Amino acid sequence: DAGVIQSPRHEVTEMGQEVTLRCKPISGHNSLFWYRQTMMRGLELLIYFNNNVPIDDSGMPEDRFSAKMPNASFSTLKIQPSEPRDSAVYFCASSLWGYNVLTFGAGSRLTVL
Amino acid sequence: AQTVTQSQPEMSVQEAETVTLSCTYDTSESDYYLFWYKQPPSRQMILVIRQEAYKQQNATENRFSVNFQKAAKSFSLKISDSQLGDAAMYFCAYRSTQGGSEKLVFGKGTKLTVNP
Repeated sequence: DAGVIQSPRHEVTEMGQEVTLRCKPISGHNSLFWYRQTMMRGLELLIYFNNNVPIDDSGMPEDRFSAKMPNASFSTLKIQPSEPRDSAVYFCASSLWGYNVLTFGAGSRLTVL
Repeated sequence: AQTVTQSQPEMSVQEAETVTLSCTYDTSESDYYLFWYKQPPSRQMILVIRQEAYKQQNATENRFSVNFQKAAKSFSLKISDSQLGDAAMYFCAYRSTQGGSEKLVFGKGTKLTVNP
């Protein structure tokens, strides 16, 4: 298996632009997580899905952030409009529900100018 | 809410020596899971070791072992025979078993340097 695949690996955009980050979980995994990593706040859970249904979105910072999982093999995290404080590394991770081990993607580094 | 504290922002060790990274956590639950993840410069988060709270035996994975002290809410990671490839950020993480939550709560991390 190729692992959790995230794209893009790097994204540089200007304030006010829409950003879409993509994730393909490991085949057969039914839980998917979006984390954000910054120097100040460390790793924060933004949202997670189980069987494509959002279970906990309490970490989503504000309405500018939205996440979708239209099917078991694809998820997006969208920021609209983006702001410089959104600059961070965004990780997607997947797991098999109840197995307790998250497998992370390589992350998407977002820079908002 | 559960919190995870890693009190050592940075640690260093000589190659082939042993180093211990500290982690404490705060919870009122009796059953939970604890993890150590490694993040090398490549940025990839890699699972190093995990521990179920109901198990008294400390988990081991080759050169990596933990010292799990449930009463003290302590979960330290020992790396034996340190290698240059062990240089990375190490994150301690907690996962509740209540309510079916799969959410991992992470500490702020410890940066480990391995000196040749």
